[in-house]
Order: sequence, then structure tokens, then C-alpha cells
Amino acid sequence: GQQLNQSPQSMFIQEGEDVSMNCTSSSIFNTWLWYKQDPGEGPVLLIALYKAGELTSNGRLTAQFGITRKDSFLNISASIPSDVGIYFCAGQPYSGGGADGLTFGKGTHLIIQP
Amino acid sequence: DTEVTQTPKHLVMGMTNKKSLKCEQHMGHRAMYWYKQKAKKPPELMFVYSYEKLSINESVPSRFSPECPNSSLLNLHLHALQPEDSALYLCASSQAGAGAPEQFFGPGTRLTVL
Repeated sequence: GQQLNQSPQSMFIQEGEDVSMNCTSSSIFNTWLWYKQDPGEGPVLLIALYKAGELTSNGRLTAQFGITRKDSFLNISASIPSDVGIYFCAGQPYSGGGADGLTFGKGTHLIIQP
Repeated sequence: DTEVTQTPKHLVMGMTNKKSLKCEQHMGHRAMYWYKQKAKKPPELMFVYSYEKLSINESVPSRFSPECPNSSLLNLHLHALQPEDSALYLCASSQAGAGAPEQFFGPGTRLTVL
């Protein structure tokens, strides 16, 4: 099946620092989604990307859909303690339709030191 | 209402028990999903329902039996589970048409099989 390579696996940063994480795929993806998951909760959708080259912001979050359709990155500016959690990239392959399962990256565990 | 609800929040069951997980959404979504998530791993797709019909079964063992009684409800019936089935079970919903991949997740049911 499809696999997404997400990096880094974990990040230890100071409060106020900027964060960057990315996902790559060996095949084309039609859509890229970024989710955040807190312990014991379900993933929460942060940003959705639909077009190659698209750059989208949501507050301090910025994400881009790579022009090759095989990668995406998420940036968080000026991190705060509530940014702690696991961030997952997810997507649907090019041949996928609406009612199709998502393929998830392995997640980036963000830890913020005060 | 932009929420997916799941009950119960926690469930402990023996290997001979029969139990059910319930999921509900009132966003008018016609696609609903079950995912299984082990600790420190990404969600893995189990089942997809589109317009109340099972459209994808990711080779899930028959001890897991999904049911979609109507467009707002999704159940997962459990019988004769194994301890390795202990996990967080996530329900999600989305629009069913092509080009609508944004899936919204519930908080999950934490299942422990003794």
C-alpha cells in the first residue's frame, strides 16, 4: 500500500522557536492533510491542501503542497506550550475518490521545553 | 454541529464478551470510517461506508463487524476479541463525493481486551 515518510520523528524545541516538519511519498498524492493529535483524543484537522504548489496558512501554521505532488511540509511559527502533541500528515493517492481511507505518516512528536 | 461523537470513551472486555462501539455525526456526511490506532502509531483504516453501504474492508478479522444503520450512525460490533486488539478505535466522517477528502475524527474509544 501507499506509504508516507514523515520527518522528523520527534522534536525537542524551546518555546518561541519555529518548527518545520515534512512528508514525502514515492507516488503522487491528490490531497495532503495535516492533523494534530493530543494524548487520548482523536486527530484534529489543521490544514487541507488540494493543488500542487498551494501554500495555506491557519494562524501560526503554514503548509505547502509540493509541486511534484509527492511531498508537503508544515511550519509552526513562534511555538507555544499548547502546540505539544503528535502531528500527522495524511493524504489520498491520485487515484483516490472522496470516500477513501487516508494514508497517514508515522507522526512527528513535538515536545516544547519552557 | 461539526462534531463526531463516540461512545463509550473507555471499554474493558473479556475475550468471550460481545460489545459494540457507537459513532454519530450530524454534519450531513455520507461517508463514515473506522480506524484502529495502537500506541505511538498512526491510525490504520479498517472500514469505509459510503451512502450506508460498506465500500472498503481492509482485510479486518470477522470478530469485528461494522454496521451503518443510517446516514448519521456507525457501529462496530466486537466478539471474541484478542488482547492484541486493545487499541484506540477512531470513527471519522466526510463528504462522500470525489474531491472531498477532509475527514473529521471523533475522540475515540479506548478498548482494553483482557
